Amino acid sequence: VQMTQSPSYLAASPGESVSISCKASKSISNNLAWYQEKPGKANKLLIHSGSTLQSGTPSRFSGSGSGTDFTLTIRSLESEDFAVYYCQQYNEYPLTFGSGTKLEIK
Amino acid sequence: EVQLVESGGGLVQPGRSLKLSCVASGFTFSNYGMNWIRQAPGKGLEWVAYISSGSSYIYYAETVKGRFTISRDNAKNTLYLQMTSLRSEDTALYYCARDHGYNRHWFAYWGQGTLVTVSS
Repeated sequence: VQMTQSPSYLAASPGESVSISCKASKSISNNLAWYQEKPGKANKLLIHSGSTLQSGTPSRFSGSGSGTDFTLTIRSLESEDFAVYYCQQYNEYPLTFGSGTKLEIK
Repeated sequence: EVQLVESGGGLVQPGRSLKLSCVASGFTFSNYGMNWIRQAPGKGLEWVAYISSGSSYIYYAETVKGRFTISRDNAKNTLYLQMTSLRSEDTALYYCARDHGYNRHWFAYWGQGTLVTVSS
C-alpha cells in the first residue's frame, strides 16, 4: 500500500491551525497511525486507528478519515509542535509510511 | 519504563555483513512482536522487518528480502537484525520498535537508533 502524504513542507505561526493529508493507494479501513519526529528524541506515536489519540497526546491534535483518505489536524500550534510528521498504514504487510511533512515556524 | 536500546551499527564495506541488536526492558519482551525500521540520511521512515512474539511469523520489506534476517532471543530480551550483502542504499539509522500487540502494528515505543554506514 503506497501512502501519499502532503504537503511535504508547511510553514505556520504559533496559534494557527494546520492539516496534513495522507492518502492510501487502496482502502486500509482505519488502520492508520501518525507519528511526530523531533531531533534527539524517540519518535512519538500521536494517533492510531485513524483518530484515537495515544495516551499523552495533547487534545489539540486530531485525526480523521477512513478507507483511503486521512487527515492530521493540529489546532492552536504551540512551539513544541514544529517537527516532522509521518503517517503509517498497518492494514497489511509490508507496513508503509508516508514521505513525511516538515512543519516549520513561519 | 519501556526501553529499547540498539547497538551494532558502524561503517562497513559494500557486500559485507553486520548484525544489529536491540535490548528491551520495562515490559515482557516475549509477549510482543518487534520491528526494525530505518531512516536514510535526510529521508523518511522505511519499515524493514517484523517478527512475532514467538518467531512464528516473519515479514520483510522487498528491499531487504533475502539479504536481511530478523530474529529474537526471548531469554535475553534481545532482537537482532543480521544484514548481509550490504549496499550503499542500506546506509541509514536503524530503529527497533515494539508492536502494540493484538495484531495492531503501530509503534508506541522506539529506540534511539544505531547508524549503519555502507561505504568503501
